[in-house]
Amino acid sequence: GNSVTQMEGPVTLSEEAFLTINCTYTATGYPSLFWYVQYPGEGLQLLLKATKADDKGSNKGFEATYRKETTSFHLEKGSVQVSDSAVYFCALRGSGNTPLVFGKGTRLSVIA
Amino acid sequence: NAGVTQTPKFQVLKTGQSMTLQCAQDMNHNSMYWYRQDPGMGLRLIYYSASEGTTDKGEVPNGYNVSRLNKREFSLRLESAAPSQTSVYFCASLEQGDQPQHFGDGTRLSIL
Repeated sequence: GNSVTQMEGPVTLSEEAFLTINCTYTATGYPSLFWYVQYPGEGLQLLLKATKADDKGSNKGFEATYRKETTSFHLEKGSVQVSDSAVYFCALRGSGNTPLVFGKGTRLSVIA
Repeated sequence: NAGVTQTPKFQVLKTGQSMTLQCAQDMNHNSMYWYRQDPGMGLRLIYYSASEGTTDKGEVPNGYNVSRLNKREFSLRLESAAPSQTSVYFCASLEQGDQPQHFGDGTRLSIL
């Protein structure tokens, strides 16, 4: 079945540092890929998405590129801020309206 | 701009008690989902409803039942609560295809 593996956390960075959170997936066909963010005490919010190979999703300075050859969708940001502290989830959806499959989440803490 | 609304936000139950978690969405979405979130486990799908009138089991359905009351509402019922069901429960909805799922703010449930 479909699955998502993302790097274990927690990740602690200083403000303005470069961020990478690795995400790889296993799926048949051509899934859609997503990154969600969860701030403390809140639900999940869509951060960005990509629906086909080589697409780049971007939002709020975050980027991720759908790499079919390496089955990856790594999340990057060039300069993190304290306000980026949250839990980040990589997810995929297979064909049709099948439910999202989530990775286990990576907690990011950014210190000033 | 309510989106997905979950009630209650917090609940404490005793072992063996029953409870229904409510979820409603005002976006006219076809599909709705219930997840539970546990530390280190990410989000796991309990049940989903691909369209009004249908429900299907997810990864962890045991101990739960669901009702898709109409297109807007999708409830989750614990018939006899157990401490292992202590978790944060999230409801989500989806219009179709590669669109993102929209999440509620969660219900924090503790079972003593």
